[in-house]
Amino acid sequence: GDSVTQMEGPVTLSEEAFLTINCTYTATGYPSLFWYVQYPGEGLQLLLKATKADDKGSNKGFEATYRKETTSFHLEKGSVQVSDSAVYFCALNSNSGYALNFGKGTSLLVTP
Amino acid sequence: SAVISQKPSRDICQRGTSLTIQCQVDSQVTMMFWYRQQPGQSLTLIATANQGSEATYESGFVIDKFPISRPNLTFSTLTVSNMSPEDSSIYLCSVALVGASTDTQYFGPGTRLTVL
Repeated sequence: GDSVTQMEGPVTLSEEAFLTINCTYTATGYPSLFWYVQYPGEGLQLLLKATKADDKGSNKGFEATYRKETTSFHLEKGSVQVSDSAVYFCALNSNSGYALNFGKGTSLLVTP
Repeated sequence: SAVISQKPSRDICQRGTSLTIQCQVDSQVTMMFWYRQQPGQSLTLIATANQGSEATYESGFVIDKFPISRPNLTFSTLTVSNMSPEDSSIYLCSVALVGASTDTQYFGPGTRLTVL
């Protein structure tokens, strides 16, 4: 079945460091791919999405490119801030239904 | 996007009791879903709430334990029945919007449930 694998955290970075959170997926067909973010004590927010190969989703300085050849959707940011500290979830929608299949989440802590 | 509210935001309950969680959206939606996020874990889909008909449950979840209602396009409830400590989780509703891509879901703030 469909699945999403994320790098395990926690990830600790200094402010202004470069961030990469790896995400790979297994799915039949051509899924849509998402990154969601969960700030401490808050609900899940959609961060960015990509719906087809080579699409790049971007928002708030974060980017992720849909790589079909490597079945990956890695999240990147050039310069993280303390306010980026949160848990990041990679997810896919297989288009055979509407359910989202989530990875286990990666906790990011950015220190001043 | 949409504004999604959930009630209650949190609750502490005794085992053997039931709790009903409400999800209200400020605009019409095509799909409504209920997820569970157990402590330190990712989200797992419980069911899809269908308007005017029985919910569609995922493997491992049954109607007797998690009855769901969706009387209209903007409201749904999830009941956690005969609770045990293992039901302690965050329960989230999510929606897909009318006129928008149905593969994009927006989440409510969640209901944090603790069962003693």
